Amino acid sequence: AQSVTQLGSHVSVSEGALVLLRCNYSSSVPPYLFWYVQYPNQGLQLLLKYTSAATLVKGINGFEAEFKKSETSFHLTKPSAHMSDAAEYFCAVSERAGKSTFGDGTTLTVKP
Amino acid sequence: EPEVTQTPSHQVTQMGQEVILRCVPISNHLYFYWYRQILGQKVEFLVSFYNNEISEKSEIFDDQFSVERPDGSNFTLKIRSTKLEDSAMYFCASSPQGGSYNEQFFGPGTRLTVL
Repeated sequence: AQSVTQLGSHVSVSEGALVLLRCNYSSSVPPYLFWYVQYPNQGLQLLLKYTSAATLVKGINGFEAEFKKSETSFHLTKPSAHMSDAAEYFCAVSERAGKSTFGDGTTLTVKP
Repeated sequence: EPEVTQTPSHQVTQMGQEVILRCVPISNHLYFYWYRQILGQKVEFLVSFYNNEISEKSEIFDDQFSVERPDGSNFTLKIRSTKLEDSAMYFCASSPQGGSYNEQFFGPGTRLTVL
């Protein structure tokens, strides 16, 4: 079965600093990977997805992620954090029939 | 922009009662899903549904749970006899195709509280 591990349940950065949220996956077949953001008391919003077309994926709100097969990683980055980026972030891997397996999530705090 | 909607946004029920959570997927989508998220935990897959039948279900989705697409637009999750541990946020999702590369569009969720 495919799985996802998010390293660091809480990440705190200063406004304007680099954001790095880590995700490692386990898969026996080429994976399809996703990052979602969840704001308090809201649903899941897709930030970006990797579908083997390009290893560097750009998403919404200035986020991007790089697929590294050799490291089985799909880390999420943003060059400059904004206060509005404070949220919960989930990495997910998609299995057959579109079923997704989610990581435990990382809470991003942005300090002024 | 089309979106998945869910009702109610918050449901409070007594233990042992039946609840039905409703979802309206995006109209041209063919695959439907339910996930749940217990407070402070990760999102967990419950069930996927295609062509009026369950295509996959998790261990969580036991005999107390059922899904239905009663009228071609709604997609419902029924819990027959709720337990305290069923308290969670329940998310509905839909996708136009079932391939793993297809994005799933999530609804805003229904918060179920079992007392």
